[in-house]
Amino acid sequence: KQEVTQIPAALSVPEGENLVLNCSFTDSAIYNLQWFRQDPGKGLTSLLLIQSSQREQTSGRLNASLDKSSGRSTLYIAASQPGDSATYLCAVRPPKRETSGSRLTFGEGTQLTVNP
Amino acid sequence: NAGVTQTPKFQVLKTGQSMTLQCAQDMNHEYMSWYRQDPGMGLRLIHYSVGAGITDQGEVPNGYNVSRSTTEDFPLRLLSAAPSQTSVYFCASSPDWTDSYEQYFGPGTRLTVT
Repeated sequence: KQEVTQIPAALSVPEGENLVLNCSFTDSAIYNLQWFRQDPGKGLTSLLLIQSSQREQTSGRLNASLDKSSGRSTLYIAASQPGDSATYLCAVRPPKRETSGSRLTFGEGTQLTVNP
Repeated sequence: NAGVTQTPKFQVLKTGQSMTLQCAQDMNHEYMSWYRQDPGMGLRLIHYSVGAGITDQGEVPNGYNVSRSTTEDFPLRLLSAAPSQTSVYFCASSPDWTDSYEQYFGPGTRLTVT
């Protein structure tokens, strides 16, 4: 059974700092990996999607990398801002051949606080 | 597009009551799913659908029923609510379950069962 772990569970940094969030998964046979942002009391917003054949994806100040063989992904946030404060979740999707379709297995998230 | 919408936003039920959580999407997505989010357990898949008329169980299906009569709607039914079903429920959709599209989530329904 696939398990996804995110470390640390919580992180507090001063504004302007570059930071890295970690995601690890036990089964390297994944189809893709997705990073989400969740604000308190809100739904999930997709940030980046990395296919299993890709090494990284970038969107603005965000960069996500994927090392499938070692079961790891990192989300790099450059020049952090107070508006980045949220919980960041990673989720992996199993290979196409599985009948479970597009089900995602989520980590529990990293709660990020960026202090002004 | 409104994206994925969910109603209600909040609901309080008594044990044994029934209710339906509504989910709709206006993006003509084939794939829809329901997750519940609980502290310490993350998001877990309840049921999913790969198209109208087709549904299947996820990781935690007990106590929940679903149906998919149209592409747009995917309601989640609690037939006899239990305190263990207190949670935040999210509906998600994506264009096609066989391909690499990202999933889009609704804003969630916060359910309390007393």
